[in-house]
Parts: sequence; structure tokens; C-alpha cells
Amino acid sequence: DAGITQSPRHKVTETGTPVTLRCHQTENHRYMYWYRQDPGHGLRLIHYSYGVKDTDKGEVSDGYSVSRSKTEDFLLTLESATSSQTSVYFCAISERPNGELFFGEGSRLTVL
Amino acid sequence: GQNIDQPTEMTATEGAIVQINCTYQTSGFNGLFWYQQHAGEAPTFLSYNVLDGLEEKGRFSSFLSRSKGYSYLLLKELQMKDSASYLCAVTNTGFQKLVFGTGTRLLVSP
Repeated sequence: DAGITQSPRHKVTETGTPVTLRCHQTENHRYMYWYRQDPGHGLRLIHYSYGVKDTDKGEVSDGYSVSRSKTEDFLLTLESATSSQTSVYFCAISERPNGELFFGEGSRLTVL
Repeated sequence: GQNIDQPTEMTATEGAIVQINCTYQTSGFNGLFWYQQHAGEAPTFLSYNVLDGLEEKGRFSSFLSRSKGYSYLLLKELQMKDSASYLCAVTNTGFQKLVFGTGTRLLVSP
């Protein structure tokens, strides 16, 4: 199994508070992704990274920012959480563009 | 833009065969993935098709027709553990990301 871990796995927070989710990989893969998964919408891409300090927006990037200062870590930040950001967040990694994705176990975020 | 369609839910009986369809509309199509996701777990890779035809892998097979924008996942000799969601995802040339359909939830009954 690909070495990819997400933290925290579960978080409950209040509207307006900042939240950071961390994705850590031990595979040295270049590409890293953050998806959110909601009923009726499937997996939707938030942001992705194609190298250290190289990131780009996905289809649902509003309200989210990311940073990648090291190959192994990809951080997703909600500057001011809203209830619409209650979701399950998955990090994924791949060796090459358009390649097979390996997913982390997911982080369940509830914004009250 | 891209559009990916899959049935929302399907039911089948243990030991049977089931076909899950996926149709897509996208520019610059590169390839199509199928992932399996059990409830409460992360998606895991099943198959990848880039050329037309059938790719067989044990009890699972995946088919692609690029000209028709169509793929299917065929599951044979269904087992209870096959109850899961099956996600179709497409990639485009020049892009570095997958776009997923909403998934098909398969329920296998005894």
C-alpha cells in the first residue's frame, strides 16, 4: 500500500474558525491532490500540486488554500470554515500526470 | 467542460454478473479509470483503459469505446464483498488530474 496518511482523521469545528488538514506521503510521488466527497457529487478536486511550491486550482477551490513546502507534505487550509465545507476530504498521490491515484484514508470535517 | 454519467445504484445477486456503465463527454480524452470504494473507506484502483477494447483482470473486466464515449465495468461471480461504490473517472491530455463521476452504488444480496 502507498504510504499516505492524513491528519486529523476527524474534526469538528465552528463556523469562522481556521482549519488545516495535512497529507503526508512517504512514496516521493510528485503529484498530490485534495478532493472532497459529498453525497450526490462524488469526488471533486479542490487543489492539486505538481511539485514543491507548484500548485493549481481544481473545480471547487473557493474558500480553500494549499501549500507544499516539501515533497512529502501537502496542506489544505480553510481560512474561515463554513457549514458548506462539511465533507469528507481525501488526499491522493500519483507518480505521473493522469496516473493511478493512491488515496489517503480521508478526513471527516464537520463545521457547526 | 466534462460530463460523466453513471447509474446511481444497482442491485445484483451473489454469483451473478453485473455491468456498470459509464458515459462521458469531454475534450481531449486521454484515458478512463475505474475505482472501487467501500463505505467509509478510501477509493482503490481497479482498472485503466486508454485504448478501445476489453481489459480483463480476474473477476473484473473493463471496456472502453473512445468513439462512443462509453465504458463499462463487468463484475463476474459476484461476492458479498463486492458491495461498494464504483467510480468512473476520466483524464484529459494536457491536464494533470482526474475528474470523477458521481459513482454507482452496487448492492449484492444473497
